[in-house]
Amino acid sequence: EAGVTQSPTHLIKTRGQQVTLRCSPISGHTSVYWYQQALGLGLQFLLWYDEGEERNRGNFPPRFSGRQFPNYSSELNVNALELEDSALYLCASSLGIAGTEQFFGPGTRLTVL
Amino acid sequence: KNQVEQSPQSLIILEGKNCTLQCNYTVSPFSNLRWYKQDTGRGPVSLTIMTFSENTKSNGRYTATLDADTKQSSLHITASQLSDSASYICVVLRMDSSYKLIFGSGTRLLVRP
Repeated sequence: EAGVTQSPTHLIKTRGQQVTLRCSPISGHTSVYWYQQALGLGLQFLLWYDEGEERNRGNFPPRFSGRQFPNYSSELNVNALELEDSALYLCASSLGIAGTEQFFGPGTRLTVL
Repeated sequence: KNQVEQSPQSLIILEGKNCTLQCNYTVSPFSNLRWYKQDTGRGPVSLTIMTFSENTKSNGRYTATLDADTKQSSLHITASQLSDSASYICVVLRMDSSYKLIFGSGTRLLVRP
């Protein structure tokens, strides 16, 4: 069974640009979570989607947004990139809401120059 | 304040030795506690999930303990291997209307030959 997949694996952008990251959950999982992990720091919760709806949001500015598609895959969009947006962006999926185990993808490494 | 604190911040041990990582939390209401292993630049991989009623849970050479009264958890690694070199992250699920995972900053473990 395939795990959580993310694309692209690496990305280099310049300040002010926009970026879209993609995530495909494990088959049968309806919840998708997005996290940001800056170099050497812990994971910071970004967004949680379930059944196509945004369920929760972390303390990030509105230029971080996303959506979940009917097939449960998800996109994370970041507008007006800033240097401090450079990080590993991790996607995780779970069977349902509330308490179930999350399985993480390999991440997308974003570098903003 | 909902927090998860891990110690030590980093640890170096020799191959074959045992070690114990600590996690203290102040998260309420508590739902479960998870330990993840994260290799550098990769997504975290779940080691154990423990609910309020569970005191000990093992996964191969990894054994997690939970004391819900003192709000402490530990992860014991037996007979360490070079492949155990990674960051170990303690995560507590706060189960209220917001359903929020609270991440510790992790312990960086280096196993030397």
